[in-house]
Amino acid sequence: SQTIHQWPATLVQPVGSPLSLECTVEGTSNPNLYWYRQAAGRGLQLLFYSVGIGQISSEVPQNLSASRPQDRQFILSSKKLLLSDSGFYLCAWSSQDRELFFGSGTQLSVL
Amino acid sequence: QKEVEQDPGPLSVPEGAIVSLNCTYSNSAFQYFMWYRQYSRKGPELLMYTYSSGNKEDGRFTAQVDKSSKYISLFIRDSQPSDSATYLCATSYNNNDMRFGAGTRLTVKP
Repeated sequence: SQTIHQWPATLVQPVGSPLSLECTVEGTSNPNLYWYRQAAGRGLQLLFYSVGIGQISSEVPQNLSASRPQDRQFILSSKKLLLSDSGFYLCAWSSQDRELFFGSGTQLSVL
Repeated sequence: QKEVEQDPGPLSVPEGAIVSLNCTYSNSAFQYFMWYRQYSRKGPELLMYTYSSGNKEDGRFTAQVDKSSKYISLFIRDSQPSDSATYLCATSYNNNDMRFGAGTRLTVKP
């Protein structure tokens, strides 16, 4: 069966520090991969998606970037965090049947 | 106007009640409709998935889509305290354009 791993679960970072969140998927090949951000009381905002290695599409211009160095690995990064980057970050994957499967999320607090 | 509107609640009901959760959407091109359940500090999990208009039932859960009025609903029968969570509606015409509602926070009291 397929599983998705996302870490860390919680992260507290100072303003201006770098960020690296990692997500890996097991049990499937060539998945579509996604990074979402969820702010309190708001819906899920799609940040990046990838349909293959090295292929990244950005939905919202911002202080973040994403990379897909391997088929089942998706990384969310920032060179310098802003206060507004705080939120709950979710990695997700899908195959061709349009169902999204989410990781357990990372609560990021930028102070 | 947001593409998907969902009342954030919170909604509190007694155990055993019928719960009705609703969303409206603005883009008539959306064809896929989903409901996700999200427990606190966890990732959302897919609860119901429907294509186009109609009803879909799965145990105590029924998803309803009315494309003519751009209205989607989720009904929970015989609600349980374990149903307490945030419920997110979502619509799309493909994976990369999935749009989520803000989520409705539901509490079922014993």
